[in-house]
Amino acid sequence: DGGITQSPKYLFRKEGQNVTLSCEQNLNHDAMYWYRQDPGQGLRLIYYSQIVNDFQKGDIAEGYSVSREKKESFPLTVTSAQKNPTAFYLCASSPGQGAGGYTFGSGTRLTVV
Amino acid sequence: EDQVTQSPEALRLQEGESSSLNCSYTVSGLRGLFWYRQDPGKGPEFLFTLYSAGEEKEKERLKATLTKKESFLHITAPKPEDSATYLCAVLGDGSGTYKYIFGTGTRLKVLA
Repeated sequence: DGGITQSPKYLFRKEGQNVTLSCEQNLNHDAMYWYRQDPGQGLRLIYYSQIVNDFQKGDIAEGYSVSREKKESFPLTVTSAQKNPTAFYLCASSPGQGAGGYTFGSGTRLTVV
Repeated sequence: EDQVTQSPEALRLQEGESSSLNCSYTVSGLRGLFWYRQDPGKGPEFLFTLYSAGEEKEKERLKATLTKKESFLHITAPKPEDSATYLCAVLGDGSGTYKYIFGTGTRLKVLA
């Protein structure tokens, strides 16, 4: 079945450490997205990519970085510059940026220890 | 300013007690309004897309409707398995670039 796979499901980060969250899709979608979800807030866009080797900052990109070397993969690195990284991170994809209904992965919960 | 507001924040229903969730929006260049269901600890699951005022979509006990300023998700005779957070999102392109905005969701609890 086609879908999006996020790993790991749970991740713990020490202060000053960079961590990378994996996102892989087999839907042949061009557009991929990273969102952050905090209690009581809507999903906030971190980064998005419409095509391989190209990506754009979203509303809260500071302290994060991404790459898009393959159509199927869009990993997110949470750097030590992100001061409040504890959150639920969601990866999504769509056929194109103007195509509406997103397919989401199952999420990664990141906790700072 | 583009925004999406969902109400109520939380809703408790008895099994079989029908109700509606509201999604009010302000966006320039509406390209679509989307409903998702999210279970605890999981990613949102796409339910419906509505493109223009007057449009309706149905799936099992759920029916989504759209006007020029809001959308309703009607839940008819809900069951406990309908318990989840329901998210609304809008896609607009009025500023020349696509803008996808999520609401904060309605947490629905259906009691047996």
